[in-house]
Amino acid sequence: DIQLTQSPSFLSASIGDRVTITCRASQGISSFLAWYQQKPGKAPNLLVYAASKLQGGVPSRVSGSGSGTQFTLTISGLQPEDFGTYYCQQVYNYPRTFGQGTKVEIK
Amino acid sequence: EVQLVQSGPEVKKPGEPLKISCQGASYYFSTHWIAWVRQMPGKGLEWMGAIYASDSSIRYSPSFQGAVTISADTSVSTAYLQWRGLRASDTATYFCARVNAYGVLDSWGQGTPVTASS
Repeated sequence: DIQLTQSPSFLSASIGDRVTITCRASQGISSFLAWYQQKPGKAPNLLVYAASKLQGGVPSRVSGSGSGTQFTLTISGLQPEDFGTYYCQQVYNYPRTFGQGTKVEIK
Repeated sequence: EVQLVQSGPEVKKPGEPLKISCQGASYYFSTHWIAWVRQMPGKGLEWMGAIYASDSSIRYSPSFQGAVTISADTSVSTAYLQWRGLRASDTATYFCARVNAYGVLDSWGQGTPVTASS
């Protein structure tokens, strides 16, 4: 199975900050990576697919980049609604796997 | 708007069977994969497996192969996840999600909490 390691596991940031989350794959996965946001008690929500394509309805302050084994999710100008836990997922091969999550707290 | 509506919360005793459901609406159910994702209390997301309803092709994660059965009924646009006998360690919330053309999960059900406790 492909292992995905996210860092950091937790971050606390202020409104307006630029936030970056990293996802590292245990082997190359080209651009077959997605990012999701999950708020407590809710289902996850797709943010980014194919490493850098923004899902419809997702604000443009969110962006994804990377390929191969190293990926980043960036939020430029953190907003109150950006709290929650963020997960990366590889869709390069089966079984699909998720990173362990990054919890984002608003200071 | 694509919708996935899951069956309600379940409380069962260990050893009891269980089947939960996920009904799709406002899209052509048969032409998409449906995936199941587990989230244990306070933990992350785990991909369990997926089914392509049109031909019943199924992919299981090795971690869940043999422990659960995934199925679908295209006549009612519904996917299922079932256990022959629950364990306490199956206590979790189970999400279904639609797989889009890029292989990612673009629409999710609301989740079905399952509690297995004596």
